[in-house]
Amino acid sequence: TQLLEQSPQFLSIQEGENLTVYCNSSSVFSSLQWYRQEPGEGPVLLVTVVTGGEVKKLKRLTFQFGDARKDSSLHITAAQPGDTGLYLCAGEPIGSQGNLIFGKGTKLSVKP
Amino acid sequence: SQTIHQWPATLVQPVGSPLSLECTVEGTSNPNLYWYRQAAGRGLQLLFYSVGIGQISSEVPQNLSASRPQDRQFILSSKKLLLSDSGFYLCAWSAGPNQPQHFGDGTRLSIL
Repeated sequence: TQLLEQSPQFLSIQEGENLTVYCNSSSVFSSLQWYRQEPGEGPVLLVTVVTGGEVKKLKRLTFQFGDARKDSSLHITAAQPGDTGLYLCAGEPIGSQGNLIFGKGTKLSVKP
Repeated sequence: SQTIHQWPATLVQPVGSPLSLECTVEGTSNPNLYWYRQAAGRGLQLLFYSVGIGQISSEVPQNLSASRPQDRQFILSSKKLLLSDSGFYLCAWSAGPNQPQHFGDGTRLSIL
């Protein structure tokens, strides 16, 4: 079974702090995506990473794909209350003809 | 641009009643369509996916069924709802398998 494990499961921080959340697997992925979901809404795609070692930046968010394409991280600098939400990673296992695999998510709360 | 509409946003139904949730996509042709259920702490559970009209694949045995009567319409149904069917249901589309998915705003289903 191919799994994507996200950690931590929950994270509560103060506004202005930095944080990193992780998405790990024993499988190799052709690509990996990060989504953010706010309460009562559907997940919204933030980024797709496809190359081992790739780093993408989206304002204060930095996404990295591991060299071996088995893991990814999301780093948020100077977190704001608007960053609060559930962060989900999803991957396309290499050689797979099936659907994306989703992690269970990291629930982030940023307090003012 | 592509949009996805899902309704209703919330629904309260008695046990044993039927269910019909509808999802439509605009601005794209022949999308892959998905139904997920999201329970707290369990991430996204893929229920059904469809690669074309009338083509439905089920990921888990359950009390629900899906249909795709038109290219951009995906319906989730049940003849008799169970208490365990409560949850947050999400519809999504993608341009192809393993491509980034774009989600609707979800339906919160409560069974009494």
